[in-house]
Amino acid sequence: AQSVTQLDSQVPVFEEAPVELRCNYSSSVSVYLFWYVQYPNQGLQLLLKYLSGSTLVESINGFEAEFNKSQTSFHLRKPSVHISDTAEYFCAVISMDSSYKLIFGSGTRLLVRP
Amino acid sequence: DAGVTQSPTHLIKTRGQQVTLRCSPKSGHDTVSWYQQALGQGPQFIFQYYEEEERQRGNFPDRFSGHQFPNYSSELNVNALLLGDSALYLCASSSAGPQQFFGPGTRLTVL
Repeated sequence: AQSVTQLDSQVPVFEEAPVELRCNYSSSVSVYLFWYVQYPNQGLQLLLKYLSGSTLVESINGFEAEFNKSQTSFHLRKPSVHISDTAEYFCAVISMDSSYKLIFGSGTRLLVRP
Repeated sequence: DAGVTQSPTHLIKTRGQQVTLRCSPKSGHDTVSWYQQALGQGPQFIFQYYEEEERQRGNFPDRFSGHQFPNYSSELNVNALLLGDSALYLCASSSAGPQQFFGPGTRLTVL
């Protein structure tokens, strides 16, 4: 079985400041990792994913995440946030041996203030 | 290329009623998964359909059932609605591989 822990329920930050949203997972098998973003009253949009290869993955809007197998972490970072980044962010894993269900963390609300 | 679509957008029901939610997958996808997202929580896996069969099921009671049609679209049925069934219901589609694409969701309110 897998589980995902997002340590911060809410992260307030000022515009143009850096931010890190933390994600740790537990699994007895290897997993794929994802970050999804959810804007108010909307569904989930894929932000970035780690499937294989380089442990540092980047999105088109400046976010990046690094897979750390020894620490079982997949933290999300952005060097300079914008007001429009205000949203709920979910970390999720899916096991490599049966890619059926995503296991989500409880989410982190990123609140960007002017 | 249309993404995942869901209908209706919002739904209000009373306790004890039954509800049907619908999902059309992204073009080229043959697998549909359903998730329940309660307010302030992460999505929880309900079940997944592939080749018109339920392939895996999460920890949800039998009141939750589903169906997949030959065109890969899917329905989620919930019987004997409870207040606790109020949530955003998300449909996700996929093909070979682990990445799932989500629809906008159906907001169900049970009064």
